[in-house]
Amino acid sequence: DTGVSQNPRHKITKRGQNVTFRCDPISEHNRLYWYRQTLGQGPEFLTYFQNEAQLEKSRLLSDRFSAERPKGSFSTLEIQRTEQGDSAMYLCASSFAGGNQRTEAFFGQGTRLTVV
Amino acid sequence: GQNIDQPTEMTATEGAIVQINCTYQTSGFNGLFWYQQHAGEAPTFLSYNVLDGLEEKGRFSSFLSRSKGYSYLLLKELQMKDSASYLCAVDDYKLSFGAGTTVTVRA
Repeated sequence: DTGVSQNPRHKITKRGQNVTFRCDPISEHNRLYWYRQTLGQGPEFLTYFQNEAQLEKSRLLSDRFSAERPKGSFSTLEIQRTEQGDSAMYLCASSFAGGNQRTEAFFGQGTRLTVV
Repeated sequence: GQNIDQPTEMTATEGAIVQINCTYQTSGFNGLFWYQQHAGEAPTFLSYNVLDGLEEKGRFSSFLSRSKGYSYLLLKELQMKDSASYLCAVDDYKLSFGAGTTVTVRA
């Protein structure tokens, strides 16, 4: 396994356009997380999945953001009608949690979004 | 709501010891992680504490007190490559992060 993979690595888009990012987690991991990070800040939680179920979504997240994880494998994060304030690094992470067992979250390299 | 606090910046000299504190108030708790993040890179795992006490891993140690909602990361024998941001994260099912502590190591 090559770890968590995110595509694309960079995305430049015009304000008002829609963008979609993809995350492929480590294959045996059942949890998948999306975060947004801006310079000098820690990762800000967006949403997470356990298998295909989206268990929580940040209240700070507007309705323009949506995420899916069909079949509990890869996940996509879509941002509709992008705004300049959406410019950030979008990080995906995966982990395993079951019973008393938990692994650390492994992060992908992120997708850097620039809205112009 | 979630509240995870850590200092914004710390500076130390090569070879010294630095302790990064983290206090938390979260609605759930399954453990506490510490991550290291170099500029422009993804966070990488350093340590995980579930029970109270000290976990030692080479030059890095991490301590947890669940009753006090407190953890620290201890970096010993600092090296220039340790200059990075250190992130405290609570496993509250969704994994919540603090804002990070930027450590600068001076020669």
